[in-house]
Amino acid sequence: GQQLNQSPQSMFIQEGEDVSMNCTSSSIFNTWLWYKQDPGEGPVLLIALYKAGELTSNGRLTAQFGTTRKDSFLNISASIPSDVGIYFCAGPNTGNQFYFGTGTSLTVIP
Amino acid sequence: NAGVTQTPKFQVLKTGQSMTLQCAQDMNHEYMSWYRQDPGMGLRLIHYSVGAGITDQGEVPNGYNVSRSTTEDFPLRLLSAAPSQTSVYFCASSYNYRTSGRENTQYFGPGTRLTVL
Repeated sequence: GQQLNQSPQSMFIQEGEDVSMNCTSSSIFNTWLWYKQDPGEGPVLLIALYKAGELTSNGRLTAQFGTTRKDSFLNISASIPSDVGIYFCAGPNTGNQFYFGTGTSLTVIP
Repeated sequence: NAGVTQTPKFQVLKTGQSMTLQCAQDMNHEYMSWYRQDPGMGLRLIHYSVGAGITDQGEVPNGYNVSRSTTEDFPLRLLSAAPSQTSVYFCASSYNYRTSGRENTQYFGPGTRLTVL
C-alpha cells in the first residue's frame, strides 16, 4: 500500500516556540491534507493543498505542497498549550483511496 | 448540519459476535469511508464508497463488510468479531472531486471505540 512517512514522530516544545513537521510519500499526490486530532476525538482538517508549490496559511499554521509532489510541510508559529495533539498528513491516490501518515505527536510545555 | 455522526461511541464484544457500526452524514457527500486507528499506526482505510450502490475495498478490508443503500448512510459490519479488531473506528465523508469538481477534503465523525474480548 501507499506509504506516508511523517517526521518527527513526537515533539516536546516550550510554549512560544515554532514547530515544523513534514510528510513524505513514495508516490506523487495531487492533494495534501493536514489534520489535527485531539484525544478521544476524530481528526479535524487544518489545511488543504491542491497545487505543487502552494503555500497556505490558517492563522498560526502554514503548510506547503512540495514541488516534487511527494512531500508536504506544516509549520506552527508561536505554539500555545491548545496546539497539543497528533498531527496527520493525508492524501488521496488516483483511485479515490485516502492514505494517512503515522502522525506527529506534539506536546507543548507551558 | 450535524456533519458526520457515528453510533455507538463505545462497544464491547465477545469473540465471534457480530455487530454493525452506524455512520450517517447530512452534507450530501458522495464519498464515504471507514478507517481504523491503532496506536502508532495512524488511520488505515477499511472500505470506501463513491456513491449509493458502490463500495470498494481499502487497505485493510478483511473481516468487514459494508453497503451503501443511500447517500446518507454507510454502515460497517463485523460478521464474526476477533480480538485483532479491537480498535477505534472512524467514519468520514467528502465530495468526490473527480465527479463533482468540488474539494475532496474529508470530514470525520467522533469515532467508535470497539473492544473484542
